[in-house]
Amino acid sequence: EVQLVESGGGLVKPGGSLRLSCAASGFTFSSYSMNWVRQAPGKGLEWVSSISTSSSYKYYADSVKGRFTISRDNAENSLYLQMNSLRAEDTAVYFCARVMGGAYSSSWFDYWGQGTLVTVSS
Amino acid sequence: QSVLTQPPSASGTPGQRVTISCSGSSSNIGSNTVNWYQHLPGTAPKLLIYNNNQRPSGVPDRFSGSKSGTSASLAISGLQSEDEADYYCAAWDDSLNGYVFGTGTKVTVL
Repeated sequence: EVQLVESGGGLVKPGGSLRLSCAASGFTFSSYSMNWVRQAPGKGLEWVSSISTSSSYKYYADSVKGRFTISRDNAENSLYLQMNSLRAEDTAVYFCARVMGGAYSSSWFDYWGQGTLVTVSS
Repeated sequence: QSVLTQPPSASGTPGQRVTISCSGSSSNIGSNTVNWYQHLPGTAPKLLIYNNNQRPSGVPDRFSGSKSGTSASLAISGLQSEDEADYYCAAWDDSLNGYVFGTGTKVTVL
Protein backbone atom coordinates (compact mmCIF):
# COMPACT_ATOMS: atom_id res chain seq x y z
CA GLU A 1 0.00 0.00 0.00
CA VAL A 2 1.34 3.40 -0.99
CA GLN A 3 1.83 5.67 2.01
CA LEU A 4 3.10 9.22 2.27
CA VAL A 5 3.54 10.64 5.76
CA GLU A 6 4.53 14.25 6.28
CA SER A 7 6.18 15.58 9.43
CA GLY A 8 8.09 18.59 10.67
CA GLY A 9 5.34 21.18 10.77
CA GLY A 10 4.88 23.52 13.68
CA LEU A 11 4.85 27.11 14.88
CA VAL A 12 7.70 29.33 13.71
CA LYS A 13 8.32 33.08 13.88
CA PRO A 14 8.46 35.24 10.75
CA GLY A 15 11.91 35.06 9.24
CA GLY A 16 12.50 31.63 10.75
CA SER A 17 13.17 28.28 9.14
CA LEU A 18 11.58 24.86 9.14
CA ARG A 19 12.31 21.56 7.40
CA LEU A 20 9.44 19.34 6.35
CA SER A 21 9.85 15.63 5.67
CA CYS A 22 7.74 13.15 3.77
CA ALA A 23 8.32 9.45 4.42
CA ALA A 24 7.31 7.24 1.51
CA SER A 25 6.54 3.53 1.58
CA GLY A 26 4.77 0.88 -0.48
CA PHE A 27 6.40 1.79 -3.81
CA THR A 28 9.80 2.28 -5.43
CA PHE A 29 10.38 5.85 -4.30
CA SER A 30 13.36 6.46 -6.59
CA SER A 31 11.20 5.87 -9.68
CA TYR A 32 8.81 8.75 -9.11
CA SER A 33 9.00 12.52 -9.23
CA MET A 34 7.54 14.14 -6.13
CA ASN A 35 5.82 17.37 -5.21
CA TRP A 36 4.86 19.63 -2.36
CA VAL A 37 1.44 21.30 -2.45
CA ARG A 38 0.01 23.58 0.23
CA GLN A 39 -3.33 24.92 1.35
CA ALA A 40 -3.54 28.11 3.38
CA PRO A 41 -6.44 28.47 5.83
CA GLY A 42 -9.65 29.12 3.90
CA LYS A 43 -7.81 29.05 0.57
CA GLY A 44 -7.40 26.62 -2.30
CA LEU A 45 -4.61 24.25 -3.22
CA GLU A 46 -1.32 25.82 -4.33
CA TRP A 47 1.54 23.90 -5.93
CA VAL A 48 4.85 24.65 -4.20
CA SER A 49 7.65 22.59 -5.70
CA SER A 50 8.57 19.52 -7.76
CA ILE A 51 11.66 17.32 -7.90
CA SER A 52 12.58 14.70 -10.48
CA THR A 53 13.60 11.14 -9.67
CA SER A 54 17.35 11.78 -9.49
CA SER A 55 17.02 15.37 -8.24
CA SER A 56 18.28 16.66 -11.59
CA TYR A 57 15.27 18.90 -12.08
CA LYS A 58 13.67 21.08 -9.44
CA TYR A 59 10.85 23.54 -9.98
CA TYR A 60 9.38 26.13 -7.63
CA ALA A 61 6.36 28.40 -7.48
CA ASP A 62 7.30 32.07 -7.77
CA SER A 63 5.91 32.62 -4.28
CA VAL A 64 8.63 30.44 -2.69
CA LYS A 65 11.51 30.69 -5.18
CA GLY A 66 14.75 31.62 -3.45
CA ARG A 67 13.37 30.78 0.01
CA PHE A 68 12.38 27.10 -0.20
CA THR A 69 14.54 24.17 -1.31
CA ILE A 70 13.18 20.77 -2.27
CA SER A 71 15.36 17.69 -1.94
CA ARG A 72 15.09 13.93 -1.66
CA ASP A 73 17.02 10.96 -0.33
CA ASN A 74 16.20 7.91 -2.42
CA ALA A 75 18.13 5.62 -0.09
CA GLU A 76 15.92 6.77 2.79
CA ASN A 77 12.70 6.97 0.74
CA SER A 78 12.23 10.52 1.90
CA LEU A 79 11.28 13.89 0.43
CA TYR A 80 12.16 17.17 2.09
CA LEU A 81 11.26 20.85 1.94
CA GLN A 82 13.65 23.30 3.56
CA MET A 83 11.75 26.52 4.22
CA ASN A 84 13.72 29.66 5.05
CA SER A 85 12.74 33.30 5.52
CA LEU A 86 9.23 32.23 6.39
CA ARG A 87 6.39 34.70 6.11
CA ALA A 88 2.90 34.80 7.57
CA GLU A 89 1.52 33.97 4.13
CA ASP A 90 3.40 30.65 4.19
CA THR A 91 1.02 29.46 6.91
CA ALA A 92 -0.65 26.40 5.43
CA VAL A 93 -1.08 22.67 5.50
CA TYR A 94 1.72 21.19 3.38
CA PHE A 95 1.05 17.98 1.43
CA CYS A 96 3.53 15.78 -0.36
CA ALA A 97 2.25 14.04 -3.48
CA ARG A 98 3.57 11.43 -5.89
CA VAL A 99 3.76 12.25 -9.58
CA MET A 100 2.48 9.75 -12.09
CA GLY A 101 2.77 9.90 -15.86
CA GLY A 102 5.58 10.78 -18.23
CA ALA A 103 6.53 14.33 -18.97
CA TYR A 104 5.35 17.00 -16.55
CA SER A 105 2.98 18.25 -19.23
CA SER A 106 0.96 15.05 -19.01
CA SER A 107 1.46 14.05 -15.39
CA TRP A 108 -0.78 13.93 -12.36
CA PHE A 109 -0.60 13.47 -8.58
CA ASP A 110 -1.94 10.02 -7.78
CA TYR A 111 -1.15 9.69 -4.07
CA TRP A 112 -1.12 12.38 -1.40
CA GLY A 113 -0.16 12.48 2.25
CA GLN A 114 -2.41 13.78 5.02
CA GLY A 115 -0.43 16.97 5.37
CA THR A 116 1.48 18.79 8.09
CA LEU A 117 0.52 22.23 9.41
CA VAL A 118 2.99 25.09 9.31
CA THR A 119 2.06 28.23 11.22
CA VAL A 120 4.17 31.36 10.82
CA SER A 121 3.35 33.84 13.55
CA SER A 122 5.06 35.98 16.14
CA GLN B 1 -2.35 33.22 -7.44
CA SER B 2 -4.41 30.64 -9.32
CA VAL B 3 -4.31 30.95 -13.11
CA LEU B 4 -7.11 28.45 -13.67
CA THR B 5 -10.57 29.88 -13.01
CA GLN B 6 -13.42 27.85 -11.56
CA PRO B 7 -16.84 28.89 -10.24
CA PRO B 8 -16.68 29.20 -6.43
CA SER B 9 -19.70 26.99 -5.89
CA ALA B 10 -22.06 24.51 -7.50
CA SER B 11 -25.01 22.63 -6.09
CA GLY B 12 -27.68 20.11 -6.92
CA THR B 13 -30.15 17.72 -5.41
CA PRO B 14 -29.41 14.00 -5.11
CA GLY B 15 -29.51 12.35 -8.51
CA GLN B 16 -28.94 15.57 -10.47
CA ARG B 17 -26.04 16.33 -12.76
CA VAL B 18 -23.55 19.04 -11.82
CA THR B 19 -20.88 20.48 -14.10
CA ILE B 20 -17.81 22.44 -13.01
CA SER B 21 -15.85 24.52 -15.50
CA CYS B 22 -12.13 25.29 -15.49
CA SER B 23 -10.83 28.11 -17.66
CA GLY B 24 -7.14 28.50 -18.47
CA SER B 25 -4.89 29.65 -21.27
CA SER B 26 -2.72 28.38 -24.11
CA SER B 27 0.23 27.83 -21.78
CA ASN B 28 -1.60 25.42 -19.48
CA ILE B 29 -4.87 23.77 -20.48
CA GLY B 30 -4.37 24.70 -24.13
CA SER B 31 -1.19 22.64 -24.41
CA ASN B 32 -1.21 20.18 -21.51
CA THR B 33 -3.49 17.62 -19.94
CA VAL B 34 -5.95 18.47 -17.17
CA ASN B 35 -6.46 16.62 -13.91
CA TRP B 36 -9.19 16.94 -11.31
CA TYR B 37 -8.94 16.43 -7.55
CA GLN B 38 -11.56 16.05 -4.84
CA HIS B 39 -10.73 17.44 -1.43
CA LEU B 40 -12.52 17.13 1.87
CA PRO B 41 -11.14 19.49 4.54
CA GLY B 42 -8.75 17.75 6.87
CA THR B 43 -8.06 14.89 4.51
CA ALA B 44 -5.65 14.12 1.70
CA PRO B 45 -6.80 15.33 -1.73
CA LYS B 46 -7.94 12.52 -4.01
CA LEU B 47 -7.25 12.13 -7.73
CA LEU B 48 -10.55 12.04 -9.58
CA ILE B 49 -9.71 12.46 -13.28
CA TYR B 50 -6.32 12.41 -15.05
CA ASN B 51 -5.27 13.09 -18.64
CA ASN B 52 -8.45 15.11 -19.28
CA ASN B 53 -10.92 12.25 -19.09
CA GLN B 54 -9.39 9.15 -17.49
CA ARG B 55 -10.71 7.76 -14.22
CA PRO B 56 -8.39 5.99 -11.77
CA SER B 57 -9.58 2.62 -10.61
CA GLY B 58 -12.08 2.98 -7.80
CA VAL B 59 -13.51 6.30 -8.97
CA PRO B 60 -17.19 5.87 -9.88
CA ASP B 61 -18.15 6.39 -13.51
CA ARG B 62 -20.51 9.13 -12.31
CA PHE B 63 -17.45 11.36 -12.60
CA SER B 64 -16.33 12.38 -16.08
CA GLY B 65 -13.94 14.95 -17.50
CA SER B 66 -13.56 16.72 -20.81
CA LYS B 67 -11.35 19.36 -22.39
CA SER B 68 -11.76 21.71 -25.31
CA GLY B 69 -9.25 24.37 -26.27
CA THR B 70 -8.25 26.29 -23.14
CA SER B 71 -11.14 25.05 -21.00
CA ALA B 72 -12.01 21.86 -19.21
CA SER B 73 -14.97 20.58 -17.26
CA LEU B 74 -15.86 17.99 -14.66
CA ALA B 75 -19.31 16.46 -14.61
CA ILE B 76 -20.87 14.62 -11.71
CA SER B 77 -23.97 12.70 -12.69
CA GLY B 78 -26.31 11.05 -10.22
CA LEU B 79 -25.14 13.41 -7.48
CA GLN B 80 -24.78 11.78 -4.06
CA SER B 81 -24.40 13.24 -0.58
CA GLU B 82 -20.84 11.94 -0.32
CA ASP B 83 -19.92 14.10 -3.33
CA GLU B 84 -20.02 17.20 -1.12
CA ALA B 85 -16.43 18.41 -1.30
CA ASP B 86 -14.10 20.91 -2.90
CA TYR B 87 -13.02 20.19 -6.47
CA TYR B 88 -9.88 21.47 -8.17
CA CYS B 89 -8.63 21.32 -11.73
CA ALA B 90 -4.89 21.35 -12.35
CA ALA B 91 -2.41 21.38 -15.21
CA TRP B 92 1.24 22.03 -15.98
CA ASP B 93 1.94 25.57 -17.16
CA ASP B 94 4.68 25.92 -19.79
CA SER B 95 5.18 29.63 -19.12
CA LEU B 96 5.45 29.33 -15.34
CA ASN B 97 7.34 26.03 -15.55
CA GLY B 98 5.19 24.62 -12.79
CA TYR B 99 1.82 23.17 -11.96
CA VAL B 100 -1.20 25.41 -11.54
CA PHE B 101 -4.39 24.63 -9.68
CA GLY B 102 -7.83 26.04 -10.25
CA THR B 103 -9.47 28.37 -7.76
CA GLY B 104 -11.60 25.51 -6.48
CA THR B 105 -15.33 24.79 -6.52
CA LYS B 106 -17.35 23.81 -3.47
CA VAL B 107 -20.07 21.34 -4.37
CA THR B 108 -23.12 21.25 -2.11
CA VAL B 109 -25.76 18.55 -2.22
CA LEU B 110 -29.07 20.15 -1.35
